[in-house]
Amino acid sequence: DSGVTQTPKHLITATGQRVTLRCSPRSGDLSVYWYQQSLDQGLQFLIQYYNGEERAKGNILERFSAQQFPDLHSELNLSSLELGDSALYFCASSPRVGTGGTILETQYFGPGTRLLVL
Amino acid sequence: AQKVTQAQTEISVVEKEDVTLDCVYETRDTTYYLFWYKQPPSGELVFLIRRNSFDEQNEISGRYSWNFQKSTSSFNFTITASQVVDSAVYFCALSEVTSGTYKYIFGTGTRLKVLA
Repeated sequence: DSGVTQTPKHLITATGQRVTLRCSPRSGDLSVYWYQQSLDQGLQFLIQYYNGEERAKGNILERFSAQQFPDLHSELNLSSLELGDSALYFCASSPRVGTGGTILETQYFGPGTRLLVL
Repeated sequence: AQKVTQAQTEISVVEKEDVTLDCVYETRDTTYYLFWYKQPPSGELVFLIRRNSFDEQNEISGRYSWNFQKSTSSFNFTITASQVVDSAVYFCALSEVTSGTYKYIFGTGTRLKVLA
């Protein structure tokens, strides 16, 4: 058990809908990362937060947004869902982050949320 | 342009054999970071190693070792005396900060099957 929790584990929804994925980092970790894994795109880095502030942005679509709350949990919001958004979404955490979002040390991953858009 | 190539799509070995997973990267930056991740059949991702571009020392962790060669832009991963539990998809990744923009890219992964 990595100590990172993600809810829900599975999510089935329809095109055009909006969903929210939740991530709770390991106790003491200030940095949260979101990744998407799909058959078409492979593994992609989406976005990173450190202590409530966005630190790095990757291939995150404009229809997607995220935030990290004062208690350090993070939410990834996906809106106007399309079939191609079906994927496994991972959250990871680490204690710190370097300049510009650089990963400094071991990341701990949650089990992922599997999203299916029908 | 930033790129990570894992040319080996799938490798099968018999238990106790040594196996090397190749990773070749492209970057124009002098400062960058390389990573390896493991994704076992259960699906979770496991962080294995991070290496910065200024540290070319090879690293060994138990049966795992990593060979970083800037001259060939490679960061290869070797598993010694492979075990069935090593069966997984292994991803190599590259990150850099270019003109203030953070870039992070994964390779397509190598599926390793270790047969008993």
